[in-house]
Amino acid sequence: GAVVSQHPSRVICKSGTSVKIECRSLDFQATTMFWYRQFPKKSLMLMATSNEGSKATYEQGVEKDKFLINHASLTLSTLTVTSAHPEDSSFYICSAKYGGRTYSSGRNQPQHFGDGTRLSIL
Amino acid sequence: DQQVKQNSPSLSVQEGRISILNCDYTNSMFDYFLWYKKYPAEGPTFLISISSIKDKNEDGRFTVFLNKSAKHLSLHIVPSQPGDSAVYFCAASEVNTDKLIFGTGTRLQVFP
Repeated sequence: GAVVSQHPSRVICKSGTSVKIECRSLDFQATTMFWYRQFPKKSLMLMATSNEGSKATYEQGVEKDKFLINHASLTLSTLTVTSAHPEDSSFYICSAKYGGRTYSSGRNQPQHFGDGTRLSIL
Repeated sequence: DQQVKQNSPSLSVQEGRISILNCDYTNSMFDYFLWYKKYPAEGPTFLISISSIKDKNEDGRFTVFLNKSAKHLSLHIVPSQPGDSAVYFCAASEVNTDKLIFGTGTRLQVFP
């Protein structure tokens, strides 16, 4: 159980294009999904928290207009990197957390991760 | 400021012996800690977690110990197996938040 699917696994595209990455929880409902970015030899850095049916909460320093997040259903969140540039090249990974709609009911549930997307902007 | 630190970038252990991975944290507001295992080209896989109200949690070959006074946790794997070779991340979250802060990872290699 607790399978998270992320697609695509790898993207290579030209500078200036927009890239959409999908994150799906396959066997559970995820009221909350998370988007991370990982630089080489660094830890995972949280970019934003996505709650179903509401606007995402972005971490400090993350551009909302560049990294558009949509969480339209309990099983799907998308990250769109708009007008991508070479410095956006990175490993992007999503996670989903099973939990009830109240904070306390889902508090100590772990996040389950997708396999990530390697984004390369030429 | 790295709030979660894994000071050993790598660890090599013989099969059958114990692997001990360490993690230190600085934020006293952390109350929930997790260990994840990551293979190349895959996402992290949840291994085990511990709440700050406990000092030990065990699941099969994996045991996590939490020393709140020292702000230190460790993951023990015994006996270690070659399939355990991966990068291990510890992560922590504060009270009343889902946000996870990750360490930089420790690469474990278990050799025959």
